[in-house]
Amino acid sequence: AQKVTQAQTEISVVEKEDVTLDCVYETRDTTYYLFWYKQPPSGELVFLIRRNSFDEQNEISGRYSWNFQKSTSSFNFTITASQVVDSAVYFCALILSQGAQKLVFGQGTRLTINP
Amino acid sequence: DGGITQSPKYLFRKEGQNVTLSCEQNLNHDAMYWYRQDPGQGLRLIYYSQIVNDFQKGDIAEGYSVSREKKESFPLTVTSAQKNPTAFYLCASRDRGHRDTQYFGPGTRLTVL
Repeated sequence: AQKVTQAQTEISVVEKEDVTLDCVYETRDTTYYLFWYKQPPSGELVFLIRRNSFDEQNEISGRYSWNFQKSTSSFNFTITASQVVDSAVYFCALILSQGAQKLVFGQGTRLTINP
Repeated sequence: DGGITQSPKYLFRKEGQNVTLSCEQNLNHDAMYWYRQDPGQGLRLIYYSQIVNDFQKGDIAEGYSVSREKKESFPLTVTSAQKNPTAFYLCASRDRGHRDTQYFGPGTRLTVL
């Protein structure tokens, strides 16, 4: 069975600080995809990134960066120079490449950026 | 604008009543999903449909029903058999063209009075 663990339930930082959200996953499959979604107070899940299991290259998008390490089954997300608008709940999720592609979500990390 | 719409945004129902949540997409996606979110928890899959006129149970299907008569629509009925229906419900559709990503609607918050 697949499992995603986000050990940090809540994180609170001051604006402009860097913050890293941890994600650890479990699967016996060799082909899978990992996702990060952002859930602002409005409730809608916003897609941030998708990474497949064969691509361990780190990715940077503006202030956001992702570090994927298969050796430790981790897919961590870093926000550089955080802003108040980054306050949200962030979810890490896993999906297998075969079948119906059901997302398995972590519990989420509530990130609060204080001015 | 292309996207996923869910209605209503807030829904109140009395115990013992069935209620139907709407999910519509104009993205031409084949697959659609319903998830449930409880406070402080991740999302759990209720039902999913990969093509019209076909759907499968997810991890927590008991007390729910769905239909998929049109590609654009995937309504979810919360029946009186659902023991604890108060939750936030999110609908998603999957884009095979954009690296198989699931995109989500704005959600419906259901409260049982």
